Amino acid sequence: AQSVTQLGSHVSVSEGALVLLRCNYSSSVPPYLFWYVQYPNQGLQLLLKYTSAATLVKGINGFEAEFKKSETSFHLTKPSAHMSDAAEYFCAVSVTYKYIFGTGTRLKVLA
Amino acid sequence: DAGVIQSPRHEVTEMGQEVTLRCKPISGHNSLFWYRQTMMRGLELLIYFNNNVPIDDSGMPEDRFSAKMPNASFSTLKIQPSEPRDSAVYFCASRDPGQRTLEAFFGQGTRLTVV
Repeated sequence: AQSVTQLGSHVSVSEGALVLLRCNYSSSVPPYLFWYVQYPNQGLQLLLKYTSAATLVKGINGFEAEFKKSETSFHLTKPSAHMSDAAEYFCAVSVTYKYIFGTGTRLKVLA
Repeated sequence: DAGVIQSPRHEVTEMGQEVTLRCKPISGHNSLFWYRQTMMRGLELLIYFNNNVPIDDSGMPEDRFSAKMPNASFSTLKIQPSEPRDSAVYFCASRDPGQRTLEAFFGQGTRLTVV
């Protein structure tokens, strides 16, 4: 069975600091992995996706993630946090038609 | 494209009443998902349609919930009778058919409050 674990339900960083949101997955077959962002009272918006091409994936708003098969991880990073990055972030794995979402990490950016 | 359109955005209803949530997927997307989001359980897949046919409804909580997709451009999720524990944000999402490498596009959600 496929699953996703996001470590840390809340993460706080200072503006300008590195953002690191952790995601580990479990899948019996090569997975397709996604990061979504949800702003307050909004739907989910795709940040980036891994589809077995390059292991380092660049997304929107300066975010990127690296697929590490040996660690079964797909952590999301951004070199310098901006106030507008404050939101909830979801990691998801897709096998066949289903998307399995993690429990989310709420990012707070401190001025 | 206007994206996935859900209506209403907010719904407040009394316990026991029927509630119908509506979704218009992106044109050309024949895969449609209904998700429920709560603080306690996160994002749960309720039902998945492909080419208007329900493929997986194992996430539908109980018989009070039903979903239909009468055509490629419209889907409904109905709760009858509604209960306070149904209060949640319900999302509809669509995707290009048969392309599992592509992302699902989400609507803005319907926030349901059952009092």
